[in-house]
Amino acid sequence: DAKTTQPTSMDCAEGRAANLPCNHSTISGNEYVYWYRQIHSQGPQYIIHGLKNNETNEMASLIITEDRKSSTLILPHATLRDTAVYYCIAGGVGGNNRKLIWGLGTSLAVNP
Amino acid sequence: DTAVSQTPKYLVTQMGNDKSIKCEQNLGHDTMYWYKQDSKKFLKIMFSYNNKELIINETVPNRFSPKSPDKAHLNLHINSLELGDSAVYFCASSQSGGVGYGYTFGSGTRLTVV
Repeated sequence: DAKTTQPTSMDCAEGRAANLPCNHSTISGNEYVYWYRQIHSQGPQYIIHGLKNNETNEMASLIITEDRKSSTLILPHATLRDTAVYYCIAGGVGGNNRKLIWGLGTSLAVNP
Repeated sequence: DTAVSQTPKYLVTQMGNDKSIKCEQNLGHDTMYWYKQDSKKFLKIMFSYNNKELIINETVPNRFSPKSPDKAHLNLHINSLELGDSAVYFCASSQSGGVGYGYTFGSGTRLTVV
């Protein structure tokens, strides 16, 4: 599975968009990009995933570059409850996500 | 209506003891996992079961033994607990095949070995 690189931490003002970058330059053509978040003392929570196209759901948007070497998770209107560690993971060939490799993620602090 | 439930939430025990953590999911998923999150916050897969069959068994001491009586349950038994086993253990489930919609995690079991 591809390794991902994320900034260690980021800050965002409440109500503004939070843009979390992720580099996955060694991703293979059939590997997905997944985003999860972990709010303090809770289990990780699935946010969104994509292969090539940009994706949007009720939680966030995922923008994947055309060469698929990087992506950005966008929280359009961050709230204090979005303060969490955000993990970007590349893997899950063919939808088989059995062995996703997790990094240390980005610790996002949403400030009032 | 909890999707993935683990018990207990907290477990404090002495070195050398044997303990179990239970996990149940009501999502109808066919695959379940155990993950360990250490003090540095790395999340590492330990085991995975698909329809009661062990499909992932990472380099984990054989003191750790998973058991899946049916596809809705995956328990973790740990023998002869050591200080280094202290961590948060997460159970998760997913539906294999097709497009991966990701894992659903439980809320974790914080194990402290003293």
